[in-house]
Amino acid sequence: LAKTTQPISMDSYEGQEVNITCSHNNIATNDYITWYQQFPSQGPRFIIQGYKTKVTNEVASLFIPADRKSSTLSLPRVSLSDTAVYYCLVGDNQAGTALIFGKGTTLSVSS
Amino acid sequence: DTGVSQDPRHKITKRGQNVTFRCDPISEHNRLYWYRQTLGQGPEFLTYFQNEAQLEKSRLLSDRFSAERPKGSFSTLEIQRTEQGDSAMYLCASGWTGGGYGYTFGSGTRLTVV
Repeated sequence: LAKTTQPISMDSYEGQEVNITCSHNNIATNDYITWYQQFPSQGPRFIIQGYKTKVTNEVASLFIPADRKSSTLSLPRVSLSDTAVYYCLVGDNQAGTALIFGKGTTLSVSS
Repeated sequence: DTGVSQDPRHKITKRGQNVTFRCDPISEHNRLYWYRQTLGQGPEFLTYFQNEAQLEKSRLLSDRFSAERPKGSFSTLEIQRTEQGDSAMYLCASGWTGGGYGYTFGSGTRLTVV
């Protein structure tokens, strides 16, 4: 499975856009890039998934360059409730490999 | 769709006792995963099932850990002869083969071994 590297922590203020970048230099051809969010004492929650270019949903956008060796999760206009741990993962679900989580990025949003 | 349900939410047990946790996945999902999470760490993958078949169990932490998914519905995770190091949050997630990695996680069972 491709290893991912992301910042341990980030700080932001309410109303700002937050971009969390993840490196995955040895991503395989069939791997997808997936992001999860986790609040304390809760299970992780799926945010977004993509393969290439840009994916957007009601929560976030995911930008993936052509070489796919990195990706950026973009959270528009964060609020205090976006304070959480964000995990970047890569893998091939069709092949049956389970997601392997790293330590994630702890995002702290202040007022 | 009531989400993934885990029972109990909290469990306190004495060292050496056996414990069993239950996970009820989303009914349409054919895959079920177990993870363990300790403080400050990301979830650690333990095992997963596709329908009733356990397709990956090499990451179970020791032979004290076992999981079942009879009839491809709910699943149980058992820890025998618990140790203090087993204290953690045990998470269950479900998904389906064609659903990418959009797993749905339960709220977990927090185990404390005293």
